[in-house]
Amino acid sequence: GAVVSQHPSRVICKSGTSVKIECRSLDFQATTMFWYRQFPKQSLMLMATSNEGSKATYEQGVEKDKFLINHASLTLSTLTVTSAHPEDSSFYICSAREDRGPGELFFGEGSRLTVL
Amino acid sequence: AQSVTQPDIHITVSEGASLELRCNYSYGATPYLFWYVQSPGQGLQLLLKYFSGDTLVQGIKGFEAEFKRSQSSFNLRKPSVHWSDAAEYFCAVSAAGANNLFFGTGTRLTVIP
Repeated sequence: GAVVSQHPSRVICKSGTSVKIECRSLDFQATTMFWYRQFPKQSLMLMATSNEGSKATYEQGVEKDKFLINHASLTLSTLTVTSAHPEDSSFYICSAREDRGPGELFFGEGSRLTVL
Repeated sequence: AQSVTQPDIHITVSEGASLELRCNYSYGATPYLFWYVQSPGQGLQLLLKYFSGDTLVQGIKGFEAEFKRSQSSFNLRKPSVHWSDAAEYFCAVSAAGANNLFFGTGTRLTVIP
């Protein structure tokens, strides 16, 4: 099946720094990717829809300036958590919708961010 | 508004026993329904999906799910659970042509020897 890779899988940073998480579709093109946030023992909450070549669409309550999304190519979307604070610590998961065929969604393995 | 309810937060079953995980949805249009599995610290893997047609859907790892429109349910079943099935299971719903998936809160499955 199609593979979506996230990097880094784990990152620890100091409060006030910025962290970039990459989401790559390894063997397919994805015009549309999604970023989710998962709190411990809770479900996934959609943060934003990333569109190649255009601005991301953010869900209500998600700070655009806090969570910068760039979808620079058909295989790469990045999420940058700017000026990170401890409350930004979470598990971030991306998914990519395959452009061809029925447009199935494939999920990355997730990135755990810990802000000290 | 769309919503997905997984009423069981945590289920414990013995290895070899049968399993049923419940999922109820609320959706205005005909839904697309999904079951995903998540192992600790991992991303999500699609088990199966229902778009249309036969209401009994077969998935990977021996799982199946049945779409019951009258009950707004899409319960996941497996006749004989293996220890490796221990994980978090998420039910999700979307609309035809829609980008977004709405997830339930998940059911954590523990398998005892």
